[in-house]
Amino acid sequence: AAGVIQSPRHLIKEKRETATLKCYPIPRHDTVYWYQQGPGQDPQFLISFYEKMQSDKGSIPDRFSAQQFSDYHSELNMSSLELGDSALYFCASSLHGTRTEAFFGQGTRLTVV
Amino acid sequence: QKEVEQNSGPLSVPEGAIASLNCTYSDRGSQSFFWYRQYSGKSPELIMFIYSNGDKEDGRFTAQLNKASQYVSLLIRDSQPSDSATYLCAADGGATNKLIFGTGTLLAVQP
Repeated sequence: AAGVIQSPRHLIKEKRETATLKCYPIPRHDTVYWYQQGPGQDPQFLISFYEKMQSDKGSIPDRFSAQQFSDYHSELNMSSLELGDSALYFCASSLHGTRTEAFFGQGTRLTVV
Repeated sequence: QKEVEQNSGPLSVPEGAIASLNCTYSDRGSQSFFWYRQYSGKSPELIMFIYSNGDKEDGRFTAQLNKASQYVSLLIRDSQPSDSATYLCAADGGATNKLIFGTGTLLAVQP
C-alpha cells in the first residue's frame, strides 16, 4: 500500500540558509500534519492543512511557512535556518475527521551546520 | 501540565511477559487515541487506534480506553526483544485538527 512520502530524507544546510521539505500524502488523504522532533523529544506539532487550507497551527516559528497544493502534497519552507532547527521533520496524513488514523512518512533529517 | 502524559520509563520486561503502557489525557474533547511505536531515528509507526470505551485487540496488542478516567493503555502480550522501542500515545486535539503526543515510554524487552 502507498505510504506517506517525504523528500529529501536527509538535508544539510548552513546557518541562515533556506530549506524546503516536501510531503506527499497517502492517496485520497486530504489532511496533512507537520511535526518536528528533536533528539530524545516527542514530536512537536507545527502546522496542519485540510483541503489546501491551514487548519491548525502549533509551535511553528515565523521563519517557517507551509502550504498544501491542489494535489494535496505539502511543502514546509524554512528560512534563516538556525542550529536549533536541526531535527527530524515528519509529515503525517489522514482523512479529515476525528476518527481517522494518521500515518507518518519516513521523515526528513535536517542538519544545520 | 502536558495535554497527554506518559511515564517516560524505561519500562523493562522479560521476554514473553506482558508489557503495560499507560497514558492520560486532559482534553475531554479528544475522541480518538493512538499508539505509535518509534524506533530510534525512525518515524512513528501506528500500531493501535481506539475511539470507543473498552478494549480493542489486534494480535498481541490490546488498547484500552476509559473516557471517564481519561486513560488509555496498551498491553503487549508475549513481549519480544523486537518490541523494544519508544511507544508514543497520541490524542486528537478535540476541536483542533492535530494530534497531540505524549513524551513516549521507552520499553526494553530483555531476552
